[in-house]
Amino acid sequence: AQSVTQPDIHITVSEGASLELRCNYSYGATPYLFWYVQSPGQGLQLLLKYFSGDTLVQGIKGFEAEFKRSQSSFNLRKPSVHWSDAAEYFCAVAPSGGYNKLIFGAGTRLAVHP
Amino acid sequence: SAVISQKPSRDICQRGTSLTIQCQVDSQVTMMFWYRQQPGQSLTLIATANQGSEATYESGFVIDKFPISRPNLTFSTLTVSNMSPEDSSIYLCSVEDKKNEQYFGPGTRLTVT
Repeated sequence: AQSVTQPDIHITVSEGASLELRCNYSYGATPYLFWYVQSPGQGLQLLLKYFSGDTLVQGIKGFEAEFKRSQSSFNLRKPSVHWSDAAEYFCAVAPSGGYNKLIFGAGTRLAVHP
Repeated sequence: SAVISQKPSRDICQRGTSLTIQCQVDSQVTMMFWYRQQPGQSLTLIATANQGSEATYESGFVIDKFPISRPNLTFSTLTVSNMSPEDSSIYLCSVEDKKNEQYFGPGTRLTVT
């Protein structure tokens, strides 16, 4: 069965520090991969996606993610975190081709210290 | 990206009653989805709604509890029937665009007392 694992439930970083949020998936083929962010009281916003091609993808708000097939991972990174990045981050996968039923990870809550 | 609105944004309901949530999109889309986010949890897909056909429900969700309508390409409703406190959640609709990206509405926060 398809599954998504986000090993870190909570992460705290200092403003200006670098960030890496981990995501591992379990799926037979390479699925479509997504990162979403949910700020308090807000809906989900798509940060970036990977379908194929270049394994390093750039997203909005200065985020990037790298797909590593050998590790079944799609980790999200940002070189310098801003206080406004404090939110919940969800990794999601969908079967490639056909309609995209998204399977979400449990989420990682990011806190940013000034 | 599509702009999605949901009504109501929040509601407090008594157990045993039903609530219908509306989802409106600013453009025509083929696929619409309904998700549930229980308190402190991740999102779980309830069903997929295609215009002109019956919704497809995920394991653990049934039509009698969560009837869905999809009368046209820009609108859908989800009804939460015979509510219990366990139905207290955020309900979100989403749409998939031609680039296979899903965009989410702001959600409906439901509290059942």
